[in-house]
Amino acid sequence: EAGVAQSPRYKIIEKRQSVAFWCNPISGHATLYWYQQILGQGPKLLIQFQNNGVVDDSQLPKDRFSAERLKGVDSTLKIQPAKLEDSAVYLCASSFTSGRMDEQFFGPGTRLTVL
Amino acid sequence: GNSVTQMEGPVTLSEEAFLTINCTYTATGYPSLFWYVQYPGEGLQLLLKATKADDKGSNKGFEATYRKETTSFHLEKGSVQVSDSAVYFCALSLTGNQFYFGTGTSLTVIP
Repeated sequence: EAGVAQSPRYKIIEKRQSVAFWCNPISGHATLYWYQQILGQGPKLLIQFQNNGVVDDSQLPKDRFSAERLKGVDSTLKIQPAKLEDSAVYLCASSFTSGRMDEQFFGPGTRLTVL
Repeated sequence: GNSVTQMEGPVTLSEEAFLTINCTYTATGYPSLFWYVQYPGEGLQLLLKATKADDKGSNKGFEATYRKETTSFHLEKGSVQVSDSAVYFCALSLTGNQFYFGTGTSLTVIP
């Protein structure tokens, strides 16, 4: 079974530039998550999709971050404009359902450096 | 609110030593509890989980018991190996499968 795919793996940009990350979840998984993991911290949920609808985006900085999941499969996360504090690893995860006992499967992450 | 507190690292052990990584939680509701592991250069992967009080999760020699009375889910292994060197994350999940992660504990096992 193929895992969660993410690209790119690494990205370096200057502040005020824009950047986009792509995620392809495990086939058949209805729920998709984007997390931000700052160095030395645990992952923090940015947004959760159920199929192509947003379930929770309460911690997404909506003035600069946006995400979409067209057709309920792939997803993109965009930052525009980027700030220095956005330097982090962006993790995508998926689960079969949104039940509290359901394991989340994580992709390898995209390491973003903002200069 | 909902949160997870892990013992701070880094932790350095000799091979075959006993490992304990403490994890306590605060939750508004009845959570499921998880331990995830992140090996160098890889993504997070599930190590074990427990979904109700007194459940014991186990995998690869690691164990953790869901203790509701002490709101804890401590990770243990009787004899660590060099290959166990990784960062370990405790997490809780509530309705809607919203995960809350601890800050992670880095473990290094030396031969």
